[in-house]
Amino acid sequence: KQEVTQIPAALSVPEGENLVLNCSFTDSAIYNLQWFRQDPGKGLTSLLLIQSSQREQTSGRLNASLDKSSGRSTLYIAASQPGDSATYLCAVGATNKLIFGTGTLLAVQP
Amino acid sequence: NAGVTQTPKFRVLKTGQSMTLLCAQDMNHEYMYWYRQDPGMGLRLIHYSVGEGTTAKGEVPDGYNVSRLKKQNFLLGLESAAPSQTSVYFCASSYSKRGGYNEQFFGPGTRLTVL
Repeated sequence: KQEVTQIPAALSVPEGENLVLNCSFTDSAIYNLQWFRQDPGKGLTSLLLIQSSQREQTSGRLNASLDKSSGRSTLYIAASQPGDSATYLCAVGATNKLIFGTGTLLAVQP
Repeated sequence: NAGVTQTPKFRVLKTGQSMTLLCAQDMNHEYMYWYRQDPGMGLRLIHYSVGEGTTAKGEVPDGYNVSRLKKQNFLLGLESAAPSQTSVYFCASSYSKRGGYNEQFFGPGTRLTVL
């Protein structure tokens, strides 16, 4: 059974720092991996989607990498801002579904 | 485009009452999904649909029913609500893709409390 883990559960950094969020999964047979952002009381916003054949994807200050063989993905946020404060979720794609981690709560202090 | 919308945003039910949550998408997506989000457990798939007129069970289907009579709508029903169904419910949609699926887009959620 696929299990997705995100460590740490919470992270607090000062504004301007570069940071890395981690996601690990137990079964390397995935179709893709998706990173989401969730603000308190809101829905999920898709940040980046990496197909299983890809190694990384970039969007603005965000860069996501995927290493299927080791069962790991990272989300790199450059020059963090207070507006980046949110919960970040990763989800691995299996047949007809996504399997989610429980998220990392990020707080960027001004 | 409105994307994925959900109705209602909030609802309080008493144990045993029934209700239907409505999800609509205007992106012509084939696939639609219902998830629930609970503290410490992440999002879990309840039911999903791979096209109009089709439905299938996800990870936690018990106590829920779904229907996909129109391609753009996906309904989630609770026939007899229980306190364990207190949760935040999210609908999502995606294009179909052979061998997998594409990026999923989520609605804003429905916060349901069962007393």
